Amino acid sequence: DAGVIQSPRHEVTEMGQEVTLRCKPISGHNSLFWYRQTMMRGLELLIYFNNNVPIDDSGMPEDRFSAKMPNASFSTLKIQPSEPRDSAVYFCASSQTSLPLHFGNGTRLTVT
Amino acid sequence: AQSVSQHNHHVILSEAASLELGCNYSYGGTVNLFWYVQYPGQHLQLLLKYFSGDPLVKGIKGFEAEFIKSKFSFNLRKPSVQWSDTAEYFCAVNSYNNNDMRFGAGTRLTVKP
Repeated sequence: DAGVIQSPRHEVTEMGQEVTLRCKPISGHNSLFWYRQTMMRGLELLIYFNNNVPIDDSGMPEDRFSAKMPNASFSTLKIQPSEPRDSAVYFCASSQTSLPLHFGNGTRLTVT
Repeated sequence: AQSVSQHNHHVILSEAASLELGCNYSYGGTVNLFWYVQYPGQHLQLLLKYFSGDPLVKGIKGFEAEFIKSKFSFNLRKPSVQWSDTAEYFCAVNSYNNNDMRFGAGTRLTVKP
């Protein structure tokens, strides 16, 4: 089991550019979560999917953020346009219903 | 909406000291409770979990947590910390009927050798 796989590990981009973060959940898991971690706000739930369907996106900070899960093995989180305040570590996690989350290694995003 | 509060932002202890990190949640229904640990530069890992049964849960590395339903609390404890326990600790809650996992703000633990 390779665990939850996120890419890229690090992303440095300029303000205004589009950023796409990718996640491959653990095979067989039916729920997928995107979290953002910052020093100021801690770990925030952005959005989560059950069976590829977005269930709660109330944590998505602005319309600049969007997430998709076209199939059970892949999800993306897109920021367009990016801003310096989006700099954070973005974690993807997956689980089977009501079971503990398994986290990916995270993507450290720096927007200059 | 459910929320999770961790009372201590940063805890500094000497090796062999006892540890207790507070966690309170606000949710009226049945919940599942978790503690995750994040070592410096790493991703979050599950430390222990409570679903039902014995409210005293034992996890890895000598950690335990006690679920007190009347206090909506799930405090993490360890009798004797080690330098290698230096990490950030997150309490998390999800309701029994869905997967809406909410995390506390985290508590940074620094253990001095």
